[in-house]
Order: sequence, then structure tokens, then C-alpha cells
Amino acid sequence: GAVVSQHPSRVICKSGTSVKIECRSLDFQATTMFWYRQFPKQSLMLMATSNEGSKATYEQGVEKDKFLINHASLTLSTLTVTSAHPEDSSFYICSARAKSIQTEAFFGQGTRLTVV
Amino acid sequence: DAKTTQPNSMESNEEEPVHLPCNHSTISGTDYIHWYRQLPSQGPEYVIHGLTSNVNNRMASLAIAEDRKSSTLILHRATLRDAAVYYCILIITGGFKTIFGAGTRLFVKA
Repeated sequence: GAVVSQHPSRVICKSGTSVKIECRSLDFQATTMFWYRQFPKQSLMLMATSNEGSKATYEQGVEKDKFLINHASLTLSTLTVTSAHPEDSSFYICSARAKSIQTEAFFGQGTRLTVV
Repeated sequence: DAKTTQPNSMESNEEEPVHLPCNHSTISGTDYIHWYRQLPSQGPEYVIHGLTSNVNNRMASLAIAEDRKSSTLILHRATLRDAAVYYCILIITGGFKTIFGAGTRLFVKA
């Protein structure tokens, strides 16, 4: 199946700093990418939908100025958590939909963010 | 988006079959039924999907009710490595969002 790679898998940052998470589709073109966050023992919560070359669409309650999403190419989307605080500590997961496989979503392995 | 309902948790013995149910009474004709599973500290992994007919692959089988308002994921012989949270999701062809419900946490006993 198609592969989606996330980097880094784990990151620890200081409160007030920014962190960038990359999501790459390795063997397909991803016209749409999705970003989720997941707190312990909870399900994945959709944060935003990112389309290549256009602005991301954020879900209600997600601050667009805090969670900056860039989808500059058909194989790369980035999520930047700006001015991170301890409450932003979470598991962030990206997902990509291929133009050619419209019925399936492929997920990255996730990024564990810890803000200290 | 159509919603799905799953039991919070289920338990199985190793080497025995497991039937994980999912209700999706508001499913529309263009919704594909997908199952993903998530192991601890990992992203979701694709398991199987179908539209109307039952489906089999190397990981599992998917049984879809005739009215499509429910489906069952079947693991034929549960192993300890199958312990995970299983999500039943509806994906519209060409649609955008993939919304996750609470999923079913499967415990497998040795």
C-alpha cells in the first residue's frame, strides 16, 4: 500500500517555541492531506484539511494562527505548532488521500509532541 | 458525515475468532465502509474496506448487512498482536473528511 511518512516521530520542545512536523507521501501524489491530534485514551480529532496549493480548512475550535499548515507540493504538508504550551502536548497524525485512490486514506506513524 | 457506533471494548482469547460490530444506520449509497486499527503510539493502519459485498483479505473479513446499516469485521484467529483500537469509518468516494468515532478497544488474552 501507499506510504505516508511523518517526521519527527518524537519531539520535546520548550514552552513558547515553535515546532514543525512534516508529512510526506512517499510513492503517490496526495492532493489532500489531513491533520489529526489525539490525546491519551481518546480517538483521533480532525484538526484541518490541507489541499495542495491552497489554504487549509480548519475544523471548528482549531486556531489557525496557532497551527499553521502548509501544503506546498503534492507530496509534502507541514504542521507548525507556534508558541507551544504544555496543553499542546499530544500525538499528531497526518493522513493523505491519493488522487488515484479516492476510497482510501493513508496514515503517517504519528508525532509525539511534548512541551515542557 | 454519517456516523458509526461501536462497542467501547471487546475481549477475545488468542487463536479464537473475533467479530467486531459497527452500526452505521445513516450510511448513504456512496459511503464506503472502512476499518482501520491503531496500535499503541502508532498511526492508524488500514485493515479492509467494502461497499456492498462481503470482502476478504489476508488480515480480515468484512461482512456487510444487506441494508448496509451495519457491518462486522471478522478476525479469524486473534493473536496478541491484534490487540488494538479498531475504527469503523465511512469514506465518501472523492470526499474529504475522514471522521473517527470512538472505536473498539480489543483485548486479546493468551
